[in-house]
Amino acid sequence: QVQLVESGGGVVQPGRSLRLSCAASGFTFGSYGMNWVRQAPGKGLEWVAVIWYDGSNKNYADSVKGRFSISRDNSKNTVYLQMNSLRAEDTGVYYCARGYDKPDYWGQGTLVTVSS
Amino acid sequence: QSVLTQPPSASGTPGQRVTMSCSGSSSNIESNTVNWYQQLPRTAPKLLIYESNQRPSGVPDRFSGSTSGTSASLAISGLQSEDEADYYCAAWDDSLNGWVFGGGTKLTVL
Repeated sequence: QVQLVESGGGVVQPGRSLRLSCAASGFTFGSYGMNWVRQAPGKGLEWVAVIWYDGSNKNYADSVKGRFSISRDNSKNTVYLQMNSLRAEDTGVYYCARGYDKPDYWGQGTLVTVSS
Repeated sequence: QSVLTQPPSASGTPGQRVTMSCSGSSSNIESNTVNWYQQLPRTAPKLLIYESNQRPSGVPDRFSGSTSGTSASLAISGLQSEDEADYYCAAWDDSLNGWVFGGGTKLTVL
């Protein structure tokens, strides 16, 4: 069965960096685009970034452009989100989701807290 | 402020039919299909409807979706207590080159 497991969240000070990972299993990872979507505490869903199945194309939300970078390693079935210059408003649960045309399976999320 | 607009709340009694709306624009709902997600408390979102009106395997046919122009709707018939959740619409936006979500509708089963 399809499984997505996020890791790497934690408490970090404003201005610092964090790298999230999403390990995939149960499907042919290299055939699917992958997304990161976040949810601030008590708020709705906000799409963050998407990467094509082969890493050839990446798109970002305006709120993270220039600060966050999405990448993938198809040999490790893992997608990453490098987050730099973190701000308080980046606080939330970060989910990875499979598929750039139809995000269908989602991981359970990893919590990022940006606070001094 | 979400790109797609959803009413913040909806409610119904068991057995009733409820609908919830999602309003967008020419660059998202009018140009691309809509997905609907159900998020139960303290869980990850679950795909409920894709391509505006298709149900993934395992989703009951009580759930249905439709679109018209720049708007989309989700209908739930035969409402059950376990349907109490937050519901989000989503669509690809050609101008933003990314996914946009509605702010979510919290469904209460009275």
